[in-house]
Amino acid sequence: TQLLEQSPQFLSIQEGENLTVYCNSSSVFSSLQWYRQEPGEGPVLLVTVVTGGEVKKLKRLTFQFGDARKDSSLHITAAQPGDTGLYLCAGVRGGGADGLTFGKGTHLIIQP
Amino acid sequence: DAGVIQSPRHEVTEMGQEVTLRCKPISGHNSLFWYRQTMMRGLELLIYFNNNVPIDDSGMPEDRFSAKMPNASFSTLKIQPSEPRDSAVYFCASSFTSGRAYVDTQYFGPGTRLTVL
Repeated sequence: TQLLEQSPQFLSIQEGENLTVYCNSSSVFSSLQWYRQEPGEGPVLLVTVVTGGEVKKLKRLTFQFGDARKDSSLHITAAQPGDTGLYLCAGVRGGGADGLTFGKGTHLIIQP
Repeated sequence: DAGVIQSPRHEVTEMGQEVTLRCKPISGHNSLFWYRQTMMRGLELLIYFNNNVPIDDSGMPEDRFSAKMPNASFSTLKIQPSEPRDSAVYFCASSFTSGRAYVDTQYFGPGTRLTVL
């Protein structure tokens, strides 16, 4: 059973367009993280959201944690080819050193 | 600064052989995690250690898998005997757990791509 469902699985858009990817669960998480992974490398943390309703911005990326702490979204404004990669959301049910529960990810391709 | 180091980066072996994957966490980190990534199942937590002690191994697929952390700077994941369905990319990650942070930042290694023929 996949606890975190990400959509869409694949997304290919033109440079300059906006996009939103989603991460949904029936479970409540104490916090949620978004990672970006490039081919041949490990995931790299982009952001952690902790409070229900929280919104965090990282340059052109906007992350939102749902009020009930079961879902999250990542919005990219004016996408660039450098944004291409696999975007993974990961839920933390406990805290501290607990292992992460990952979604399968969204494969994003930004075409020049 | 060196990040998480994994070796080998690629491993090709035949079914039935023993495979050992190695990980050196970031110096000073006290938690270590092993994950497996496949297209079908995504990234899954196998086991994690805190201060060299295994905390949760519920993600280990079966008895063919074992993991050790003899000291703070080294961990191994062993598969014996290996099977084709074990083919995946295996990641090691480490973090520093202070007990005060709500959630720690995990730093991932580059992974070991395992192919079992």
